[in-house]
Amino acid sequence: SQQGEEDPQALSIQEGENATMNCSYKTSINNLQWYRQNSGRGLVHLILIRSNEREKHSGRLRVTLDTSKKSSSLLITASRAADTASYFCATDGNNDMRFGAGTRLTVKP
Amino acid sequence: SQTIHQWPATLVQPVGSPLSLECTVEGTSNPNLYWYRQAAGRGLQLLFYSVGIGQISSEVPQNLSASRPQDRQFILSSKKLLLSDSGFYLCAWDPGLGNVLTFGAGSRLTVL
Repeated sequence: SQQGEEDPQALSIQEGENATMNCSYKTSINNLQWYRQNSGRGLVHLILIRSNEREKHSGRLRVTLDTSKKSSSLLITASRAADTASYFCATDGNNDMRFGAGTRLTVKP
Repeated sequence: SQTIHQWPATLVQPVGSPLSLECTVEGTSNPNLYWYRQAAGRGLQLLFYSVGIGQISSEVPQNLSASRPQDRQFILSSKKLLLSDSGFYLCAWDPGLGNVLTFGAGSRLTVL
């Protein structure tokens, strides 16, 4: 069964705008990760945030984690058409990695 | 550097036929290995994971099975495919729980 749930399920924005995706999970975690998937391809790791961290940055990516609410957000700033993809959060509860259903992001040029 | 190979990339099989998808990892030892399935436009469903040779944990009762005959080899099998087995299958590895997962390119299975 899935551990995390992302929302929105789909997001469409214009190039240059910011995109925010949210993830909620159910069990205690050691860390939370975000992955990206281009259509028909494998997933690629974007960023990992540990349970004792509240915010992390990597280039145009900003991730926040609120363990009291069991939620995380991924912000992509100044989006580009190449950011079009599905984004998934994953958590390490239950001795394995569990993924949410993902957010499908479309960035229009 | 570590690499992960998954094959075949695409497979079209009739209902009732057998299945074998193979995944190998290079450049590391004793990895955790995973098989996920992704239905069209959906998230990832964990099917099996393995922390060592011969150690397989199954998440979902189904007509699929997994084996790990060697440290860096993970095989997904079925004796008789169902229509509902169609999907995108992804193999992945990590050096230990909580670390970054590295995925293969995926195998698209269509059961007709």
